Amino acid sequence: EAQVTQNPRYLITVTGKKLTVTCSQNMNHEYMSWYRQDPGLGLRQIYYSMNVEVTDKGDVPEGYKVSRKEKRNFPLILESPSPNQTSLYFCASSPLRTSGPTYEQYFGPGTRLTVT
Amino acid sequence: DAKTTQPPSMDCAEGRAANLPCNHSTISGNEYVYWYRQIHSQGPQYIIHGLKNNETNEMASLIITEDRKSSTLILPHATLRDTAVYYCIVPGGHGGSQGNLIFGKGTKLSVKP
Repeated sequence: EAQVTQNPRYLITVTGKKLTVTCSQNMNHEYMSWYRQDPGLGLRQIYYSMNVEVTDKGDVPEGYKVSRKEKRNFPLILESPSPNQTSLYFCASSPLRTSGPTYEQYFGPGTRLTVT
Repeated sequence: DAKTTQPPSMDCAEGRAANLPCNHSTISGNEYVYWYRQIHSQGPQYIIHGLKNNETNEMASLIITEDRKSSTLILPHATLRDTAVYYCIVPGGHGGSQGNLIFGKGTKLSVKP
């Protein structure tokens, strides 16, 4: 089954304790992206990757890092989480066309992060 | 990205067609209209997209007006499981952020028995 998986699904942590949220897709997609969703603010893009070793900032990259060492994986790293990073996080993927990533994106189930 | 306007909420009786409108009066000639839905904090789900012709797939139909300034997503036989927030999106260039889907507030569709 074609899918995007995220782990963990729920995480409660404390300020400053480094954490990684994993994202994996089994569709051989080149494009992957991270969003956060907050009440009243919709989904906002954090980082995206057009292919292995190619990453770039989205709209709200501060406080986050990503890496893309393998095509299927795109982990989101919070080196020193703060309470304002409490949010619902989604990973997404899509194939890449000559014109760029498609907007038919597959989303993961989400990771609900609470930073106290 | 072209701005879209959707009603904040709609109700629909189970088994009836749900017609969700979207205005996108500033859409340009080569911009597509995409529809997604999000069922209670789950990951958004792609539904359908179109440019100028009406489109249909196993989930829904998309009707785009001739002037392309508005569209309607049709769920032909709504079920309780179709209760969700539906987003109409017109993605386009967003500075350097490619593939960025701008989700607005969407329409909360409540399907009632």
